[in-house]
Amino acid sequence: QQPVQSPQAVILREGEDAVINCSSSKALYSVHWYRQKHGEAPVFLMILLKGGEQKGHEKISASFNEKKQQSSLYLTASQLSYSGTYFCGTGPQWYAGKSTFGDGTTLTVKP
Amino acid sequence: DAGVIQSPRHEVTEMGQEVTLRCKPISGHNSLFWYRQTMMRGLELLIYFNNNVPIDDSGMPEDRFSAKMPNASFSTLKIQPSEPRDSAVYFCASSRDRGNTGELFFGEGSRLTVL
Repeated sequence: QQPVQSPQAVILREGEDAVINCSSSKALYSVHWYRQKHGEAPVFLMILLKGGEQKGHEKISASFNEKKQQSSLYLTASQLSYSGTYFCGTGPQWYAGKSTFGDGTTLTVKP
Repeated sequence: DAGVIQSPRHEVTEMGQEVTLRCKPISGHNSLFWYRQTMMRGLELLIYFNNNVPIDDSGMPEDRFSAKMPNASFSTLKIQPSEPRDSAVYFCASSRDRGNTGELFFGEGSRLTVL
């Protein structure tokens, strides 16, 4: 069963912050985040393996609440290059292969 | 280093024709995945190989779809016969399942249009 992402779309101005949420009805061992620009392949951002652990990638960080079966992606001081569709993948194993991906959140950053 | 290489990048065919998509994973990666992406269904895992062996094909839509991995450097996804609803972007991805990042490396995709 695929995870549910929210919001479906968000529009920001450069420098603003955004949060993208990912929740699952099943117990999770791992959460992975990817960004896909239009017409391109998804690109890995980060993986979270332990409950409550936060990881970061430039000004993008994420948290994973294993108890709530939720993960959130935080984009701080957004840049134009952050525009794209963000997918979370959730899986029963530590590596991404068995992940089921959410429908994606489209982020548009405007000047 | 070369990334995951897929071919063809674009394929337009008529309903009923056979379609073969090809993938070369990153050297040293021993897990390979085929995904399908559509607006309606998002990114779906079709099949997953580990060390050239199909591990999970539960995502393969129906018998018209088949996938093979004859060696560590090549995989094919075949659709026979193709139907308009098969139109999608098909991604191949590879990973090192003994790595510690869990990262999937995606190819640039094969955009299939079935008329």
